[in-house]
Amino acid sequence: SAVISQKPSRDICQRGTSLTIQCQVDSQVTMMFWYRQQPGQSLTLIATANQGSEATYESGFVIDKFPISRPNLTFSTLTVSNMSPEDSSIYLCSVEGGQSQETQYFGPGTRLLVL
Amino acid sequence: QKEVEQDPGPLSVPEGAIVSLNCTYSNSAFQYFMWYRQYSRKGPELLMYTYSSGNKEDGRFTAQVDKSSKYISLFIRDSQPSDSATYLCAMSGTGFQKLVFGTGTRLLVSP
Repeated sequence: SAVISQKPSRDICQRGTSLTIQCQVDSQVTMMFWYRQQPGQSLTLIATANQGSEATYESGFVIDKFPISRPNLTFSTLTVSNMSPEDSSIYLCSVEGGQSQETQYFGPGTRLLVL
Repeated sequence: QKEVEQDPGPLSVPEGAIVSLNCTYSNSAFQYFMWYRQYSRKGPELLMYTYSSGNKEDGRFTAQVDKSSKYISLFIRDSQPSDSATYLCAMSGTGFQKLVFGTGTRLLVSP
């Protein structure tokens, strides 16, 4: 199984600022995923990040708001730009894995509070 | 209407009880059905997955899929306090990448 770490684990930010979240994996992976888990809401896929190509965003999420970098096969960043209180959420990265790529391994998440 | 509906709970049961967790869905294209467990302040971890309809058993856990009713279940036998967590159902139409999650059901098993 893959071991995933995220930084920061939590942060409190002022509205209008930006925060970059880092995701580090202990093995090389092709696909990395970024999710948002808002209070009382389901885990929602923001985008899929492949190394060497532009991230693919899901409906309702745009690159200007959530720019993603994927510089190599073990690392990715998600930036939450121009934050508002509605961006308060847990942000998780994940990678596909398992013998048949049948699962996703998740990081512990980054808890973001925007004031 | 959400694609996947799941009762948020909390569901409180005594140790040793049989637990039934359920999700309903609306998208008939879903073929892969998964259950994830999420402990507090941790990321979700995969418990089980099934493809199409039928049952799958793994130790104390049994997953059932009824595609005709668009209804999936996870049963936990002989529940333990260590089973206390949030259980998320997830589904996809094509493989395990674009997953659609339920909101999760919080389970509390008391000693």
